[in-house]
Amino acid sequence: DQQVKQNSPSLSVQEGRISILNCDYTNSMFDYFLWYKKYPAEGPTFLISISSIKDKNEDGRFTVFLNKSAKHLSLHIVPSQPGDSAVYFCAASPNSGGSNYKLTFGKGTLLTVNP
Amino acid sequence: DTAVSQTPKYLVTQMGNDKSIKCEQNLGHDTMYWYKQDSKKFLKIMFSYNNKELIINETVPNRFSPKSPDKAHLNLHINSLELGDSAVYFCASSQVTGRSPLHFGNGTRLTVT
Repeated sequence: DQQVKQNSPSLSVQEGRISILNCDYTNSMFDYFLWYKKYPAEGPTFLISISSIKDKNEDGRFTVFLNKSAKHLSLHIVPSQPGDSAVYFCAASPNSGGSNYKLTFGKGTLLTVNP
Repeated sequence: DTAVSQTPKYLVTQMGNDKSIKCEQNLGHDTMYWYKQDSKKFLKIMFSYNNKELIINETVPNRFSPKSPDKAHLNLHINSLELGDSAVYFCASSQVTGRSPLHFGNGTRLTVT
C-alpha cells in the first residue's frame, strides 16, 4: 500500500538544465510535504517543504509545486548541477506536527546530472 | 560536530544473535526516531520517542526494543535476529513543535547471515 509514489526510479539531465522530480500521493489526509536528498552512505537531508495551504514554495534553485486536486507534487531544480546528483525522496505527513509527527516516504528517484 | 550520530555503521551478524545500534543527537531536539530502509528502498518509521517517552510504535515485532536513557539518546536493541531484519536503519531527530524537518544519521547497514 504505497501512499507516496515516485514512479520514476531514475532521471538523467544535463548540467544547467532543469530537473523535474515527480511525486504522487493517495492519502487525502496528507497536508504537509517534504523533499529529502540522499547521497550514498549518508542519511537523507532535508531540502524543501510545502504546506497544503500553498501551491508553491521556492528556495534558491529549488522549487516545489503542489497540486492538491491531482494529489501531485513536483520538485524543480534550476539550473541543475553535478553536485545535485543524489537520490531524492518525497515524504508526506498527515499531522499538524508535535510528537505524532510521522512521515511516509516514497521509494526515491536517483537524479544524475551530467557535466 | 555531527548532529545525529549512530554506531556502528556496518553490522554483520548471524541469525539468532542479539545486537544493538546506538544513536545520539546533539541538536537539543525533543523527539527521536528509528526508520528502516528495506530492500525495496522504502523508508518506514519504526518508533518515535519524545523526551524518553514512546510515542509511535509502528507494529514492529517485539524482538525490536528501543531504549531512550535521555532525550539525546535512542538505542535500538534487536533480539533473535532474522534474515528479514537485514536493512539500513536510520536514526533521526526533530523538534516537537511545528513542522521542523527530521535530521537523519548516516545509517547502520545490518546484514544477517
